Amino acid sequence: QKEVEQNSGPLSVPEGAIASLNCTYSDRGSQSFFWYRQYSGKSPELIMFIYSNGDKEDGRFTAQLNKASQYVSLLIRDSQPSDSATYLCAVNGNNDMRFGAGTRLTVKP
Amino acid sequence: KAGVTQTPRYLIKTRGQQVTLSCSPISGHRSVSWYQQTPGQGLQFLFEYFSETQRNKGNFPGRFSGRQFSNSRSEMNVSTLELGDSALYLCASSLEDSGYNEQFFGPGTRLTVL
Repeated sequence: QKEVEQNSGPLSVPEGAIASLNCTYSDRGSQSFFWYRQYSGKSPELIMFIYSNGDKEDGRFTAQLNKASQYVSLLIRDSQPSDSATYLCAVNGNNDMRFGAGTRLTVKP
Repeated sequence: KAGVTQTPRYLIKTRGQQVTLSCSPISGHRSVSWYQQTPGQGLQFLFEYFSETQRNKGNFPGRFSGRQFSNSRSEMNVSTLELGDSALYLCASSLEDSGYNEQFFGPGTRLTVL
């Protein structure tokens, strides 16, 4: 079992729809959870982080964390073509960061 | 505030050679982590340095090493290069020693081993 798992996609949504990205992790001691966006040929860019159970909203982005289920998700509301990228889930435990393989999102105009 | 910088941006080497990559963190950031990214393996953690000390190390052979200087700049060295070392090497910096570890990535160094 991989430590951080994501659906590889591709996930395709129409412009204006909600994109839902999911991530599960295996280490129950994990403390912090991150979502990065990576455009093709670029380095990852931090878009959201969450430490506590529940929801955290930042603009069009909402991160959701459920530590009991070892599950973290990212919702993108009003998806735009510029949101088309690979989204990486990262989990921090024991001071090292573990990344999922990423979910490729395509937002179609 | 300037972001994380990495040099060089591109590098071509041949098998058996060694290479040194450099990373300058965001001003005030004391932790520097290194990652290898390949299409097949994704982002893999190499090691993390904090206050000139290696704090964590991933599952890579001893050919991969690093160090951090007193100004928090970090270097990564790969000796006896192999074809499989071709990858994007990313460095990320974070502010302080904490479990939360919000990391900011540099643009990466694209290493090609021929």
